[in-house]
Amino acid sequence: GAVVSQHPSRVICKSGTSVKIECRSLDFQATTMFWYRQFPKQSLMLMATSNEGSKATYEQGVEKDKFLINHASLTLSTLTVTSAHPEDSSFYICSARTGTGGYNEQFFGPGTRLTVL
Amino acid sequence: AQSVAQPEDQVNVAEGNPLTVKCTYSVSGNPYLFWYVQYPNRGLQFLLKYITGDNLVKGSYGFEAEFNKSQTSFHLKKPSALVSDSALYFCAVRDNRYQLIWGAGTKLIIKP
Repeated sequence: GAVVSQHPSRVICKSGTSVKIECRSLDFQATTMFWYRQFPKQSLMLMATSNEGSKATYEQGVEKDKFLINHASLTLSTLTVTSAHPEDSSFYICSARTGTGGYNEQFFGPGTRLTVL
Repeated sequence: AQSVAQPEDQVNVAEGNPLTVKCTYSVSGNPYLFWYVQYPNRGLQFLLKYITGDNLVKGSYGFEAEFNKSQTSFHLKKPSALVSDSALYFCAVRDNRYQLIWGAGTKLIIKP
């Protein structure tokens, strides 16, 4: 099956620093990538959707200047949490989908646990 | 508004017994429904989807789901539960922007 990797799996940083999370589709080309945030014992919250070569579309309430998303190629998307604060601590999950129309399932990365001290 | 509801936070089942994880939805138009499973410290894994056709959908790991249009439900089922099925299960429906709307998740605990 299709594999999506995320790196790093865990990161601890100091408040005010920036953190970059990479999401790669290893054996397929992802026309669309999604970034989610998951709080403990809660469902996934979609942060943004990105299509290769285009600007990301952010969900309402998500600060685009704080969560920078780049989808530079069909196999790589990055999420940069800028000037991180403790409230940004969370589990960040990316997913990738081939094709359009939403009929295809999304493949998920293993997630990145971000802890901001 | 389109939404997905998983009414049970947790479901406890004895190993070997049948299991059901409930999901109801609200969408305009034809629903496209998905089930995903999340194991501890691992990414979400696709189990199955309903787009059209047979109301009984078979998926990975012996799971199946029954689409019921009149009850707007898409319950996940398995005839005989395994301890290794213990995980967090999410139901999702595609919205009109081709993105997934997620249920809150149901923790499934299978006891030996």
